[in-house]
Amino acid sequence: GAVVSQHPSWVICKSGTSVKIECRSLDFQATTMFWYRQFPKQSLMLMATSNEGSKATYEQGVEKDKFLINHASLTLSTLTVTSAHPEDSSFYICSASSGGQTDTQYFGPGTRLTVL
Amino acid sequence: DAKTTQPPSMDCAEGRAANLPCNHSTISGNEYVYWYRQIHSQGPQYIIHGLKNNETNEMASLIITEDRKSSTLILPHATLRDTAVYYCIEVGDDKIIFGKGTRLHILP
Repeated sequence: GAVVSQHPSWVICKSGTSVKIECRSLDFQATTMFWYRQFPKQSLMLMATSNEGSKATYEQGVEKDKFLINHASLTLSTLTVTSAHPEDSSFYICSASSGGQTDTQYFGPGTRLTVL
Repeated sequence: DAKTTQPPSMDCAEGRAANLPCNHSTISGNEYVYWYRQIHSQGPQYIIHGLKNNETNEMASLIITEDRKSSTLILPHATLRDTAVYYCIEVGDDKIIFGKGTRLHILP
């Protein structure tokens, strides 16, 4: 149980384009979903937290107009990187919880984004 | 930012118990200690979590000191597949911060 998927697993795009990453909880309802970013040889950095049907809460320093998060259902959240630039190249990982922020998070396999 | 402190790396012989320490001296009363591990280029895997009491599940045991300022994750019989970066994190209503973790090497 508690399986989270992400799509795509990797993506290469041109600078200036937008990329959408999907995160799905396959066997449970995700009240809360989280988006993280991880640069090479670094730890995970929380970008934002979203609850189904409400606006995401972004961490300090994360541009909400650049990283659009939609949590439209209890099994799906999307992260759209708008006007991507090479410095946005990173490993993006989502996680989902059936409860609130302090409940166990189950992570997806991650999406590697490369912006040329 | 308050975050946990872990040794950057540890070695453990295959078949032996791996004991991974973590300091979380700034933890608040309602914040949990969670342990995850990440194998290269994959999403983190949940291992175990606790608030005050020691916990055990099929993967590991978690020993939390009485003052809650530190904890130890115990993998009872380490295998080569346990090679990963292990993260100990404090989780509260408004805090989720991953530290740098411990890179655990299992030696054959």
